[in-house]
Amino acid sequence: DVKVTQSSRYLVKRTGEKVFLECVQDMDHENMFWYRQDPGLGLRLIYFSYDVKMKEKGDIPEGYSVSREKKERFSLILESASTNQTSMYLCASSLSRGPNTEAFFGQGTRLTVV
Amino acid sequence: GENVEQHPSTLSVQEGDSAVIKCTYSDSASNYFPWYKQELGKRPQLIIDIRSNVGEKKDQRIAVTLNKTAKHFSLHITETQPEDSAVYFCAAKGQGGKLIFGQGTELSVKP
Repeated sequence: DVKVTQSSRYLVKRTGEKVFLECVQDMDHENMFWYRQDPGLGLRLIYFSYDVKMKEKGDIPEGYSVSREKKERFSLILESASTNQTSMYLCASSLSRGPNTEAFFGQGTRLTVV
Repeated sequence: GENVEQHPSTLSVQEGDSAVIKCTYSDSASNYFPWYKQELGKRPQLIIDIRSNVGEKKDQRIAVTLNKTAKHFSLHITETQPEDSAVYFCAAKGQGGKLIFGQGTELSVKP
């Protein structure tokens, strides 16, 4: 079974703090994604990566950055957390960029910025 | 940019009825269309998917149809059961590997 693990289930951070959300997958997947999930807005893509040190912006990259130094790990960084970044963050991975490659999700990190 | 629109946002049906959720996509290069189910407090999980060279796919009580010309795809659930109650997401994958999701549909199946 593919396992995608996010480092924290719940986080509470203060406005202005630098926040790191970590995601690790154990199936040698090429693609990794970061989404945020808000009621009524679905899953919005923040960033994705198709290889080590490669990244592409998603639909809502402002206020976020990412790091992929190793294939199995994809980190989401909030440079200076703000209250409008309070959300559920979901990491996902898939085998490759091709079709028919299922994306597997982590359990999510509920981030609250106060 | 790429966009996926999903309707309706909420859907309530009686047990045993059918449910249909519809999505449209903007990127004509999209080649893969998965559907995910997310139960309360859990992570999204794939329930069915379809490639762009296929018009319809069925797996027991669920089926997906794709109209490439109209850039439209739909999820059909027949003989709904209370355990089908969840949020359902459609998605479209472009050639670059970007996976874009719709806004989600909260399905409620009443016993």
